[in-house]
Amino acid sequence: GAVVSQHPSWVICKSGTSVKIECRSLDFQATTMFWYRQFPKQSLMLMATSNEGSKATYEQGVEKDKFLINHASLTLSTLTVTSAHPEDSSFYICSASHPPYEQYFGPGTRLTVT
Amino acid sequence: DAKTTQPTSMDCAEGRAANLPCNHSTISGNEYVYWYRQIHSQGPQYIIHGLKNNETNEMASLIITEDRKSSTLILPHATLRDTAVYYCIVSDLKTSYDKVIFGPGTSLSVIP
Repeated sequence: GAVVSQHPSWVICKSGTSVKIECRSLDFQATTMFWYRQFPKQSLMLMATSNEGSKATYEQGVEKDKFLINHASLTLSTLTVTSAHPEDSSFYICSASHPPYEQYFGPGTRLTVT
Repeated sequence: DAKTTQPTSMDCAEGRAANLPCNHSTISGNEYVYWYRQIHSQGPQYIIHGLKNNETNEMASLIITEDRKSSTLILPHATLRDTAVYYCIVSDLKTSYDKVIFGPGTSLSVIP
């Protein structure tokens, strides 16, 4: 099946700094990728839809100026958490659409803000 | 997308079949039933999907009722590695823009 990778798998950063997370589709082209956030013992929450060559579409309540998404190529989307705070500590997961009918998920990135 | 209802948690003895139910009474005609699972601290893993016929692959079987208002995921011989949260999702993932929206899922514990 199709493979989606994320880098880094875990990151620790200091409060006020920015951190970038990469999501790559390794063996297929993805015009659309999705970013999720998951807090402990909760389900995945969709944050935004990343479209290659255009602006991302954010879900209600997600701050677009804080979570910057760039989808510069058909195999790479990046999520930058700007001015990170401890409440941004979470598990961030991306997925890539492989139509028809399937989406493939990355292994996730654990972000800890100290 | 149609809403789904799943039990919060289930236990299953190792080696026995695990039957995970899902209700999706508001499913529309063009929506598929998808099952994903998430093992602790990993990304979700696709298991199986179906429209109206029963489906089987190397991981599981999916049984969809004739009225399509409910379905059951069957893991025929559960192992400890099947302990995970299982998500039943109803969606029409025909285009690249279609989203996967997760509910709370069912936490399956396979017991030795």
